[in-house]
Amino acid sequence: NAGVTQTPKFQVLKTGQSMTLQCAQDMNHEYMSWYRQDPGMGLRLIHYSVGAGITDQGEVPNGYNVSRSTTEDFPLRLLSAAPSQTSVYFCASSGWKGGFTGELFFGEGSRLTVL
Amino acid sequence: GDSVTQMEGPVTLSEEAFLTINCTYTATGYPSLFWYVQYPGEGLQLLLKATKADDKGSNKGFEATYRKETTSFHLEKGSVQVSDSAVYFCALTPGSRTGKLIFGQGTTLQVKP
Repeated sequence: NAGVTQTPKFQVLKTGQSMTLQCAQDMNHEYMSWYRQDPGMGLRLIHYSVGAGITDQGEVPNGYNVSRSTTEDFPLRLLSAAPSQTSVYFCASSGWKGGFTGELFFGEGSRLTVL
Repeated sequence: GDSVTQMEGPVTLSEEAFLTINCTYTATGYPSLFWYVQYPGEGLQLLLKATKADDKGSNKGFEATYRKETTSFHLEKGSVQVSDSAVYFCALTPGSRTGKLIFGQGTTLQVKP
């Protein structure tokens, strides 16, 4: 019963370094997304995808890249990390039954610190 | 733009107390409304939802009613338990074609024995 799996769970980067947060789901969900969670700000949508080869920007996309080559995987890339990207990142997925249901399944999160 | 506002936390209650967490929203059109819960060290889980005005969502003793006239979706529970201690998020999706879920800032609930 894996659901949504994120790796790594913890990561420390130096300013300017790049890295990829991995996300995989085994529920055959068409929709996948990345959120960041910051104190007092709730969760904010970074990027999302409604199927392989289709991605779109959310509320805070700057500094992040995504691609969707398979239904199962949706990696998030930080090209040049900045201290402002210190956050907890959540991957979430959902079915797409003729539209977005809002019923998301979340991973356990990845805590990123940028020094 | 569309937004969700929740009451400030933390909320501290004794076991078996009545819980209300206020949530109001701003949206054009006809959003669907949600409550998610985050237990310590975990990702969020869907608690309940309502898709149209006057709908009541319910789960695990929690309830919330979609009030279009007051643009509210307050979360209630008649008798909280220590195990309900968590962060609660109100959220909306503007529509089924948007692919976006907009969250409030979250309200921390601490229940003491």
